[in-house]
Amino acid sequence: LAKTTQPISMDSYEGQEVNITCSHNNIATNDYITWYQQFPSQGPRFIIQGYKTKVTNEVASLFIPADRKSSTLSLPRVSLSDTAVYYCLVGDTNAGNMLTFGGGTRLMVKP
Amino acid sequence: DAMVIQNPRYQVTQFGKPVTLSCSQTLNHNVMYWYQQKSSQAPKLLFHYYDKDFNNEADTPDNFQSRRPNTSFCFLDIRSPGLGDAAMYLCATSSGTAYNEQFFGPGTRLTVL
Repeated sequence: LAKTTQPISMDSYEGQEVNITCSHNNIATNDYITWYQQFPSQGPRFIIQGYKTKVTNEVASLFIPADRKSSTLSLPRVSLSDTAVYYCLVGDTNAGNMLTFGGGTRLMVKP
Repeated sequence: DAMVIQNPRYQVTQFGKPVTLSCSQTLNHNVMYWYQQKSSQAPKLLFHYYDKDFNNEADTPDNFQSRRPNTSFCFLDIRSPGLGDAAMYLCATSSGTAYNEQFFGPGTRLTVL
């Protein structure tokens, strides 16, 4: 069974806010939610991590509802350079705390 | 700058010919990972080292082996590459558990002829 579920792809335009939602119905009490960004032919890059409520950094915000069964990555005012694949990961305590990459969301930002 | 370095960036090998990919890090992280990423797919964890302790994922084929001679270096050995092993191989490091941020190298793209 998939650990996380994300939309396969999303389109946006420059300057818009983009929200990518990830479902993780089986999240465990000790699991954290982490998002990575990957550009073509590069390794993934950490964006943000959270456990509950809201986390914000210079790149993005992460919204996590009280039941923690989903999370939303929010990218403010995207630019063309934000075109990438975004992965939502949930800590898998059954696998010794190793993170498993799900399918990812391919975000295309258009001019 | 501290970083994760992978060499070579592109590797071509022949079917069945052993190949070794290398990874080095200047972050002094105690955990190092190897991922396989095929085209249009998510990275898939092959194994990781927590210090000197090797941890193999259950579904990683025996054809894949790894060595970590010291903190800075980690190698991925593919004993008999098949056509299905053509992929991007990503090395990553973290300090402590996987909950901590993983720093990825640029990857080595392996072609099997």
